[in-house]
Amino acid sequence: DSGVTQTPKHLITATGQRVTLRCSPRSGDLSVYWYQQSLDQGLQFLIQYYNGEERAKGNILERFSAQQFPDLHSELNLSSLELGDSALYFCASSVYGYSPLHFGNGTRLTVT
Amino acid sequence: ELKVEQNPLFLSMQEGKNYTIYCNYSTTSDRLYWYRQDPGKSLESLFVLLSNGAVKQEGRLMASLDTKARLSTLHITAAVHDLSATYFCAVDWGGGATNKLIFGTGTLLAVQP
Repeated sequence: DSGVTQTPKHLITATGQRVTLRCSPRSGDLSVYWYQQSLDQGLQFLIQYYNGEERAKGNILERFSAQQFPDLHSELNLSSLELGDSALYFCASSVYGYSPLHFGNGTRLTVT
Repeated sequence: ELKVEQNPLFLSMQEGKNYTIYCNYSTTSDRLYWYRQDPGKSLESLFVLLSNGAVKQEGRLMASLDTKARLSTLHITAAVHDLSATYFCAVDWGGGATNKLIFGTGTLLAVQP
């Protein structure tokens, strides 16, 4: 158990809808990262937050947004969903820049 | 743009054999990570390599980093079935406190009895 908690585990929704994925980092970790894993794109870095502030951005679509709250949990909002957004979304956390990322168990999103 | 390539993409090997997975990356970075992922599961951190010439070993796995060649290797010694998984290398592209990890394509390792 990595200590990173993601909810829900599975999500099935229709195209055009909006969903929110939630992540609670390991105790003491200030950084939260979001990754998308799909068969065609592999593991893609989406965005990083550090202590509530956006720190780095990757291949995140404009339809997607994220935030980190004062209690350090993070939410990833996906809107106007398309079939191609179906993927496994991982949250990870770390203590500081050189430490390894600890990944949650992921949220499997299926868009129908 | 940083590109991270792994080879092979798929590796079928017999128990007891040795083999090496290669990870090449396209731009300068001094931090490289190896992760393991079991089917349908999360990613587990294996090694963190922070400098040129770094070598880390854990059980039957040994990882090394050559920053000048932009190459990392993951060597498997006397493979056992429990090592069957997908192995990813990831290179830090952010620097400083930013762990913007760019992952390789992954190597699916199947160890046959």
